Amino acid sequence: AQKITQTQPGMFVQEKEAVTLDCTYDTSDQSYGLFWYKQPSSGEMIFLIYQGSYDEQNATEGRYSLNFQKARKSANLVISASQLGDSAMYFCAMREEETSGSRLTFGEGTQLTVNP
Amino acid sequence: DSGVTQTPKHLITATGQRVTLRCSPRSGDLSVYWYQQSLDQGLQFLIQYYNGEERAKGNILERFSAQQFPDLHSELNLSSLELGDSALYFCASSSTTATSTGANVLTFGAGSRLTVL
Repeated sequence: AQKITQTQPGMFVQEKEAVTLDCTYDTSDQSYGLFWYKQPSSGEMIFLIYQGSYDEQNATEGRYSLNFQKARKSANLVISASQLGDSAMYFCAMREEETSGSRLTFGEGTQLTVNP
Repeated sequence: DSGVTQTPKHLITATGQRVTLRCSPRSGDLSVYWYQQSLDQGLQFLIQYYNGEERAKGNILERFSAQQFPDLHSELNLSSLELGDSALYFCASSSTTATSTGANVLTFGAGSRLTVL
């Protein structure tokens, strides 16, 4: 079963506007972590923001904020004041703990294009 | 520069061959993760090591193996290569492992792009 779902294969936004990238997740764990990574065309994976399942406040990092709705199991990324350099693939991921290790499970990604 | 070093950056080889991908984690990080990114499969977790020990395993093929050495660098060995193994292979590192509290953010290297012809 898909554990991380990103339903928007592609999104377009005008420069300086805000955009929301959707992410829903599925887990029966009480303790988990949610992450967003950015992958520009150059290929590297860049960490953007983290939300812990017990965090009561939504995470923010500069122009990035995470709209965490635990009951709905959603962790949407909001990018404010979009810039041309924000054009990239964005991945939502969930940390799953195992007996002695952990892994990040990634969604399929959303390709964001910022138009001038 | 993320601090995670992967070599080689690009590799072209033929079917049936064997290759080794190398990863040096960020200074101070004990945990290393390997991921495969392909067009049809997305980002797939392969394996995690912590301080030399295997800690978590994903859908890693039997033809693939990995290890983490005492100096904490890691190698991913891919053998009997098939066309479908063509992908971008990422190494990531973090300072801790599983059951730690907090973010335990994974820092990714630039990747090794493998092309199997």
